[in-house]
Amino acid sequence: SQQGEEDPQALSIQEGENATMNCSYKTSINNLQWYRQNSGRGLVHLILIRSNEREKHSGRLRVTLDTSKKSSSLLITASRAADTASYFCATGDNTDKLIFGTGTRLQVFP
Amino acid sequence: EPEVTQTPSHQVTQMGQEVILRCVPISNHLYFYWYRQILGQKVEFLVSFYNNEISEKSEIFDDQFSVERPDGSNFTLKIRSTKLEDSAMYFCASTRQGPAAENIQYFGAGTRLSVL
Repeated sequence: SQQGEEDPQALSIQEGENATMNCSYKTSINNLQWYRQNSGRGLVHLILIRSNEREKHSGRLRVTLDTSKKSSSLLITASRAADTASYFCATGDNTDKLIFGTGTRLQVFP
Repeated sequence: EPEVTQTPSHQVTQMGQEVILRCVPISNHLYFYWYRQILGQKVEFLVSFYNNEISEKSEIFDDQFSVERPDGSNFTLKIRSTKLEDSAMYFCASTRQGPAAENIQYFGAGTRLSVL
């Protein structure tokens, strides 16, 4: 798989349900970040987890990181219609660039 | 809240023409980036810029591309002779700290470039 592959590619749920998205990567990282993109818009930073952290929370978001499996998950609890967007993981290392995943399109139905 | 602004939001050009995409990074940020996203594909790194020079660039960033910080606020991406495959959304990003720190990059809303 490529650096930053996510699954599922698309996810449809009802409001109030939880949404879980997964990301896998291949190289060593300093941190892993999750970004959100509304259709045709820019990327909004959601949360960053360092390579020495295993779990992090921010509001309704929970991120886990397993560096031994080179994978991360993003959990959105009690989803809302406004959470409808694409979600991307991005890995940061000692270089300047972020390497983005393929993204998960989340659709939350009211 | 400070934000990265990009202009124009949509640029239409003919193949072979030069285009300049403009960005105003967040004012106290020191590191600047361009990424692109071809429709339906992942966001790809193009170039990073610090202290008035390119610090890293990808294979995509060939001789047709250049970046410049012409003054204290603007950061531009120039494509010298556009090709059809340059059609994409181009995102500018900035961050206050470099890669040694937590590199949270703040993105603009993007410029959609359509090459006809």
